[in-house]
Amino acid sequence: DQQVKQNSPSLSVQEGRISILNCDYTNSMFDYFLWYKKYPAEGPTFLISISSIKDKNEDGRFTVFLNKSAKHLSLHIVPSQPGDSAVYFCAAPRGETSGSRLTFGEGTQLTVNP
Amino acid sequence: KAGVTQTPRYLIKTRGQQVTLSCSPISGHRSVSWYQQTPGQGLQFLFEYFSETQRNKGNFPGRFSGRQFSNSRSEMNVSTLELGDSALYLCASSLGGVAKNIQYFGAGTRLSVL
Repeated sequence: DQQVKQNSPSLSVQEGRISILNCDYTNSMFDYFLWYKKYPAEGPTFLISISSIKDKNEDGRFTVFLNKSAKHLSLHIVPSQPGDSAVYFCAAPRGETSGSRLTFGEGTQLTVNP
Repeated sequence: KAGVTQTPRYLIKTRGQQVTLSCSPISGHRSVSWYQQTPGQGLQFLFEYFSETQRNKGNFPGRFSGRQFSNSRSEMNVSTLELGDSALYLCASSLGGVAKNIQYFGAGTRLSVL
């Protein structure tokens, strides 16, 4: 049961434009979400997170939006840069007492063209 | 502060052998989680250790095991290797107090089973 889904395996944008990466979830118990970026031959790097008590969190060029009613979140990157080309994963931990167990989406390969 | 260190970076083994992977967490982090990444299954949670105790376990066969030492360093062992065990094995550490603690990943160990 894939509780976190990223339906777009790939996304290509021009440098300077906005990149929007989407993520859907089915488990209504999820109340915290994270985005990670992964380059080849490296481990995932934490980017930004959002708690379910918020609908938006911003950090520099990165903004994450959460729509709880739709069980949908999105990561906006503005402006996109070639160095942003990587695989992006959304992830959710399972509850307060279940320790550090992340459920990941399948990932979206972002390519930013110069 | 040093990041999460995984050794070795690459391993080649044959079917039926066993393998041990090592992970040194960020200083002060008490939780270590292990994940398997394959092209078909994505990032899958293996298990988590906190204060030398396994706190969570994913849906993997008993051939996959781990342990954590008093200095929070962790090892993962896979016995009787199968071709399907070929994957990138990622270790992540976090403070470990609650599930919302951010997990920081190592670069991974690439295991090839021939």
